[in-house]
Formats: sequence, structure tokens, C-alpha cells
Amino acid sequence: SQQGEEDPQALSIQEGENATMNCSYKTSINNLQWYRQNSGRGLVHLILIRSNEREKHSGRLRVTLDTSKKSSSLLITASRAADTASYFCATDARSNYQLIWGAGTKLIIKP
Amino acid sequence: GAGVSQSPSNKVTEKGKDVELRCDPISGHTALYWYRQSLGQGLEFLIYFQGNSAPDKSGLPSDRFSAERTGGSVSTLTIQRTQQEDSAVYLCASSPLNTGELFFGEGSRLTVL
Repeated sequence: SQQGEEDPQALSIQEGENATMNCSYKTSINNLQWYRQNSGRGLVHLILIRSNEREKHSGRLRVTLDTSKKSSSLLITASRAADTASYFCATDARSNYQLIWGAGTKLIIKP
Repeated sequence: GAGVSQSPSNKVTEKGKDVELRCDPISGHTALYWYRQSLGQGLEFLIYFQGNSAPDKSGLPSDRFSAERTGGSVSTLTIQRTQQEDSAVYLCASSPLNTGELFFGEGSRLTVL
């Protein structure tokens, strides 16, 4: 069963706008990761945030983690057409190697 | 190549046939994972290999599924007597020891007619 749940399931915004996706989970974790998947391709690692971190940045990406609410958010600023993809969160709640994946948020950037 | 390589990229087979999917991980990565992804869904864990340790096969959905990893490198996922519900994208990932980050291949799309 999937622990991570992303919302929204789908998001469509204009190029240049910011996109925010959320991930909730049920049990305590050591870390949480975000991945991107372009249509028909493999997944690409974006960022890993540890349970003792509250915020992390990588380029136009900003990830926050609230362990008290068991939730994380991924913010993409100044979106581009190339950001169109599905975004997944994954937690290590089951073990330190068996990640639990959400069903993903499908992001569409309109030119 | 520098990345995880999977073959074939696409496989169409008839119900009841056996299929083999291959994964060549990044050199030096000790951990190797197989996942299954159905259309529009998240990833379903199948099996995990770590070095010379016994693999974690707890995610394999039935005894028709098996996997091996030879010499700590290349892995083969075998599905015997394929069923239509086996149709999915099978993703392989590798990871250096204890980093948490997974590196994925492009996947093998299996269609069972």
C-alpha cells in the first residue's frame, strides 16, 4: 500500500507562475525525497530532505518538511514548459531502503 | 554508459509466454531495485538487492516473478506465464550504499495481449 499521498493529483498553470505540490505520509520517517518523471521516461531525483531539516533549496526548487504534520511541499518557482512532468514523493518509513511512493502530481505548464 | 540501462525498452507478448527484462546498473552501485508502475500510478516495490546479501523479495506479486543479480552487477527480472495484469512499466534503479538517492533506468514497457 502507498503511504505517501500527493495533492493535487493534477495541476495546470501558466508558464512563469509558481507551482506548489504537497505530500502527506502516515508514519515517522528518516528522510523524504522528491522525484520527477517526464512522460514515458524514468524518474529523476530532485531533492532529499532529512527529518531534522525544515527547508531545502535547489535552484528553482524549494522543499519544506513539517514532521509534526507529516507533510512536505515542493515549490517550483518561475515555471517553464520543461517542468511539465509528474512529481512523486517517496519516504523511507518502511525501512531505510524500501521507499514508499505516492501516486504523484501531474504538472502541466501552459506556454 | 553513465546511467542505468534497461532492455528491452518495449516488449509485447502473448498471454502465457515468459519474458525476461534486463537491468545494467551504474558501475559501483551496490544496491539495485526493481519497481512496477501501472498507468498513472506510483511505484510498486518488487525486489531489492544489496551487495552479496540475500535479496528482499517481499514485493514480488506471485511465484511467477523471479529476479537474479549476477556478480553483483546485471540483474534479470523474469515473469513466467505472463498474464494481462502484468502489463506495466518495469523500472530498475540503483543506488550507492547508504545515500538514499535512487538512479532510475528508462524502464521496460511490457504489454501482455
